[in-house]
Amino acid sequence: AQSVTQLDSHVSVSEGTPVLLRCNYSSSYSPSLFWYVQHPNKGLQLLLKYTSAATLVKGINGFEAEFKKSETSFHLTKPSAHMSDAAEYFCVVTGGGSQGNLIFGKGTKLSVKP
Amino acid sequence: NAGVTQTPKFQVLKTGQSMTLQCAQDMNHEYMSWYRQDPGMGLRLIHYSVGAGITDQGEVPNGYNVSRSTTEDFPLRLLSAAPSQTSVYFCASTPNRGYSYEQYFGPGTRLTVT
Repeated sequence: AQSVTQLDSHVSVSEGTPVLLRCNYSSSYSPSLFWYVQHPNKGLQLLLKYTSAATLVKGINGFEAEFKKSETSFHLTKPSAHMSDAAEYFCVVTGGGSQGNLIFGKGTKLSVKP
Repeated sequence: NAGVTQTPKFQVLKTGQSMTLQCAQDMNHEYMSWYRQDPGMGLRLIHYSVGAGITDQGEVPNGYNVSRSTTEDFPLRLLSAAPSQTSVYFCASTPNRGYSYEQYFGPGTRLTVT
């Protein structure tokens, strides 16, 4: 069965410092992996996706993630945090089969201090 | 394209009342799904559909019904609302039955059951 674990429920950084949001996954096949962002009282926006092409995936707003099969990880990074990055971030793995269902992590809330 | 639209944006129900959350997409996507979001739980799949006339249960289907009579619409029905169904509901669609494509989310419906 597929599952995803976000290792931190809350991460706090200062503006201008690097961001690291950690995600481990479990899958019985080669998964597709996504990071979504949700700003307060808003819907979900796709940041980036991995679908078995390049292992280093670049997304919007300067975010990137690296797929590491040996470590079953898909951590999200950004070199320099901006105040507008404050939001909740979800690591997502596809559920398998033909249904295309998504399995969400519980989310990491990112706070950015001035 | 309007993308994925949901109505209403907010709703308050009394225990035992019924209602239908509407979801529509204008992208001719085969696959549509409903998720609920609760604090600290991420998003959990309620029901999904791989095409008109075909629906199936997700992780948390109890208390909800769905139907898919057209490609565009995928309503979610609460037959007898309970306080445990207080949540934010998201509808999503994807262009393909496979799992390599991102899902497009609606803006959400915030439901409170008193």
